[in-house]
Amino acid sequence: VLTQSPGTLSLSPGERATLSCRASQSVSSDFLDWYQHKPGQAPRLLIYGTSSRATGIPDRFSGSGSGTDFTLTITRLEPEDFAVYYCQQTAHSPWTFGQGTKVEIK
Amino acid sequence: DVQLLESGGSLVQPGGSLRLSCAVSGFTFSNSAMSWVRQAPGKGLDWVSAISRTGEHTYYGDSVKGRFTISRDNSKNTLYLHMNSLRAEDTAVYYCARPDSGWTPFNSWGQGTLVTVSS
Repeated sequence: VLTQSPGTLSLSPGERATLSCRASQSVSSDFLDWYQHKPGQAPRLLIYGTSSRATGIPDRFSGSGSGTDFTLTITRLEPEDFAVYYCQQTAHSPWTFGQGTKVEIK
Repeated sequence: DVQLLESGGSLVQPGGSLRLSCAVSGFTFSNSAMSWVRQAPGKGLDWVSAISRTGEHTYYGDSVKGRFTISRDNSKNTLYLHMNSLRAEDTAVYYCARPDSGWTPFNSWGQGTLVTVSS
């Protein structure tokens, strides 16, 4: 089970966002990914293998962590960053997503 | 450009069946494992199923195991999800997703197709 916190993050553009993803058992760093999802759109891969940015993802997005605790950081929020973010583990079957963190405009 | 186009979603009664399709282009389909992921209304993402490049190996989430079957036709560049014994809780937008290599992460996604299970 992946537990994301907080459920909702209310921030202003330009602020820093820190999103947490905690696993109920240890997850290899190679198998922890982050996705961004906006209403009516397909999800988009942001970070794979805990800390590698996917193609075209700006460097304000970064991932870190190990074991059971992982973090997605957005250093300076841009208007297009307000969305729901999911972590996913593919180390253990069945693969699971966290319940999501909504980053909303304050 | 990689393109994934889902189809087949509709309104179906509880206990009914449905087949979803995902037509792909822009890459060599037979070289890629594929997955289905869904999102129920107001809920988060939920991984449903995955299939190997040849179709020899398949995997399922606990909530669909025994009811859903993933398959593929590499000659038609199409992925399928056969859904039986549908329940109200299967109501969701279903996405097909593709990794650039291996099984994950999911680098490319379709726009989704809506399945509604209701009487």
